[in-house]
Amino acid sequence: AQSVTQLDSQVPVFEEAPVELRCNYSSSVSVYLFWYVQYPNQGLQLLLKYLSGSTLVKGINGFEAEFNKSQTSFHLRKPSVHISDTAEYFCAVSGIDNQGGKLIFGQGTELSVKP
Amino acid sequence: DAGITQSPRHKVTETGTPVTLRCHQTENHRYMYWYRQDPGHGLRLIHYSYGVKDTDKGEVSDGYSVSRSKTEDFLLTLESATSSQTSVYFCAISDHTGELFFGEGSRLTVL
Repeated sequence: AQSVTQLDSQVPVFEEAPVELRCNYSSSVSVYLFWYVQYPNQGLQLLLKYLSGSTLVKGINGFEAEFNKSQTSFHLRKPSVHISDTAEYFCAVSGIDNQGGKLIFGQGTELSVKP
Repeated sequence: DAGITQSPRHKVTETGTPVTLRCHQTENHRYMYWYRQDPGHGLRLIHYSYGVKDTDKGEVSDGYSVSRSKTEDFLLTLESATSSQTSVYFCAISDHTGELFFGEGSRLTVL
């Protein structure tokens, strides 16, 4: 079984500042990792994913994340945020042995970008 | 956008009544899921399906049942709704990689 912990429930940041949203996971098997974003009153959409290969993964809207197997982390970063990045962000994990790749989600981190 | 439609998008009902939420996809994906989203809990998996008439329980399946008689439709039923089932329900579909595509959500209020 897998579990995910997002270490910050809320992250306030000023526009154009860098941001890091932290995610730790636990699993007894190798994993796939994902970050999703949810804008108000919408469904979730994929930001980026790690399946294999390079541990630095680049996604949409200038976000990137680094898979650190020894620390079981998959932190999300952006060097300069915009007002439009205000949303809730979810980290998710799937064991590679999961049938159909069903995901386990973290509790979410609300990113609030202030002018 | 992935072709996923949820209905109804909003529903208010009373405790003890049955409720069915429908998810319809046009992507012909094998896997379909129902999640519920609650503040402080993120998304929690209720049930999922890996093919027609093949379903399994997720982490919060008590009080819910599902059916999948066609590839494109996945129904979530609350046999007797309770106030604790007030939530936003999301349907999702995926291929074998685990990347999920989500519907717009169905907001259910049980009075």
